[in-house]
Amino acid sequence: QKEVEQNSGPLSVPEGAIASLNCTYSDRVSQSFFWYRQYSGKSPELIMSIYSNGDKEDGRFTAQLNKASQYVSLLIRDSQPSDSATYLCAVNENSGTYKYIFGTGTRLKVLA
Amino acid sequence: GAVVSQHPSWVICKSGTSVKIECRSLDFQATTMFWYRQFPKQSLMLMATSNEGSKATYEQGVEKDKFLINHASLTLSTLTVTSAHPEDSSFYICSADRVFLTEAFFGQGTRLTVV
Repeated sequence: QKEVEQNSGPLSVPEGAIASLNCTYSDRVSQSFFWYRQYSGKSPELIMSIYSNGDKEDGRFTAQLNKASQYVSLLIRDSQPSDSATYLCAVNENSGTYKYIFGTGTRLKVLA
Repeated sequence: GAVVSQHPSWVICKSGTSVKIECRSLDFQATTMFWYRQFPKQSLMLMATSNEGSKATYEQGVEKDKFLINHASLTLSTLTVTSAHPEDSSFYICSADRVFLTEAFFGQGTRLTVV
């Protein structure tokens, strides 16, 4: 059973701080990794995608991938109350299709 | 970016009736679409992969005769929940895959409540 694991949280950080979200996956052949943000009652929206080891930055967001350790993380700098949501880690189990395996999500609370 | 439209956004139906949910790719042709179900405070669970012009591929434990999927065109996939029961109440979300995209795009989701 291929799995993607996340701490369910809630992770509480003060406004302006860095929020660090982590995800581990079990399938060593996974090629593509994604972070989605989901507000309550809404559909997930893509925050970041990462395919190679190392860091990828986009605005306040930085995704980090370590395939040897099978983990991917998301850093949110200068956290805002509007960042409060559930963050889903997703792994594409086959680079030829987009069949995602989702983690259970980490609930982030940014305190004003 | 690519847009995926899902309709309806919410529906309430009586137990025993059938409900159809549509998923459309608005600005690209989607050879593959995915249907997910999400129960409260749980993650998205893939139900089935919808392939244009061929039968859908269902995940283990998903009843194909209860969740009918039709992908008759490159821009439309439908999910019909047949003989719905209260335990089918959930948030159903579709995503569409375009061959050369590097990520899938999600519809807005459909909140189904069976009473």
